[in-house]
Amino acid sequence: DTAVSQTPKYLVTQMGNDKSIKCEQNLGHDTMYWYKQDSKKFLKIMFSYNNKELIINETVPNRFSPKSPDKAHLNLHINSLELGDSAVYFCASSSPAGLTNGYTFGSGTRLTVV
Amino acid sequence: EDQVTQSPEALRLQEGESSSLNCSYTVSGLRGLFWYRQDPGKGPEFLFTLYSAGEEKEKERLKATLTKKESFLHITAPKPEDSATYLCAVQAGSNYQLIWGAGTKLIIKP
Repeated sequence: DTAVSQTPKYLVTQMGNDKSIKCEQNLGHDTMYWYKQDSKKFLKIMFSYNNKELIINETVPNRFSPKSPDKAHLNLHINSLELGDSAVYFCASSSPAGLTNGYTFGSGTRLTVV
Repeated sequence: EDQVTQSPEALRLQEGESSSLNCSYTVSGLRGLFWYRQDPGKGPEFLFTLYSAGEEKEKERLKATLTKKESFLHITAPKPEDSATYLCAVQAGSNYQLIWGAGTKLIIKP
């Protein structure tokens, strides 16, 4: 199936730990994204990345870092996890402008920091 | 500041009872307005892109319209399977990033 897949779906970890979330897309899209959805359901862009450019939302703490081994993968690494990092994280991908067919999202990773 | 506001926050309808969801926006240089559907435990699913005022798009029981200030998602004779959170987002100016609304949670009772 063509899709955006991310793992794990659930992640429970203690404060101070380091964790990674993996994302892969087989849609041939050039651009990938990481979004954070908080308890109020707002989607906030964290990063967008294509072969040429990484755009970082300036509000994202530098404990968060995207890592892209190739065009089809964009992983999210989080250092020194804090309680406030608890949220659902979505990976997405799109064609260069993302207008016509919108973004394709993964099913999300629910991160709980205890 | 660019902003997207959706109303109502939640809407409960009986099966077959038509209604509309609203997405109002204040942005400079609208490039596109998107509607997505999000089911619990899943990522948003793309529904429509609208580009300019006056444009309309339809998909099954859903119809999206756009003016210079807002968009409406009309749902005609909804069924329980239409229950979901409907999200609106806009893309504006030279920035390809999306600005998202908080969504409208739609519940259709059989």
